[in-house]
Amino acid sequence: QKEVEQDPGPLSVPEGAIVSLNCTYSNSAFQYFMWYRQYSRKGPELLMYTYSSGNKEDGRFTAQVDKSSKYISLFIRDSQPSDSATYLCAMSASRETGGFKTIFGAGTRLFVKA
Amino acid sequence: GAVVSQHPSWVICKSGTSVKIECRSLDFQATTMFWYRQFPKQSLMLMATSNEGSKATYEQGVEKDKFLINHASLTLSTLTVTSAHPEDSSFYICSPYTSGKTDTQYFGPGTRLTVL
Repeated sequence: QKEVEQDPGPLSVPEGAIVSLNCTYSNSAFQYFMWYRQYSRKGPELLMYTYSSGNKEDGRFTAQVDKSSKYISLFIRDSQPSDSATYLCAMSASRETGGFKTIFGAGTRLFVKA
Repeated sequence: GAVVSQHPSWVICKSGTSVKIECRSLDFQATTMFWYRQFPKQSLMLMATSNEGSKATYEQGVEKDKFLINHASLTLSTLTVTSAHPEDSSFYICSPYTSGKTDTQYFGPGTRLTVL
């Protein structure tokens, strides 16, 4: 079983739709939860990060973490064609040897049709 | 967010040659540099972690003699792919980090390596 599971999609929605992206994880030691957006042939761009369970909102984006269920979500309201990209969930935990390690989901490819 | 640059952005080389990729942290001093590799339609896989002035720590399955990492300064780290083979063709991405300076990880724009 992978530490982080994410449906690779692709997910195709019409412009203006609400998009829901999700990841599940198995390691209860994960402390930080992030969502990145990656356009083709570009590096990942940080969208949201959270530390605890609950919701965090930033503009059209809302990140949700449910530690009891080991489930995180990213919601995109009023989706735009420019939101078309691959969305990666990521989570990090401290390492026994010091520092931390971040594990990434496989990424969900999103297409928003005009 | 952090400002990170990588050079070159893309490179094509012949099998057996070595390629050096530079990563610069432009707006903060990075005590730690993470190097990732991403194959097409796959997620980022951590290759190694380097701390400034120390030897890099490599993840299981990553050959330290093939992927040479130098982190000689707080703003520059290099990854050298030695004796590159077609299976090394990938997207290489760096991520500088300093505890207390960045709240989470930011990434460089990536370097696409194609080995013929």
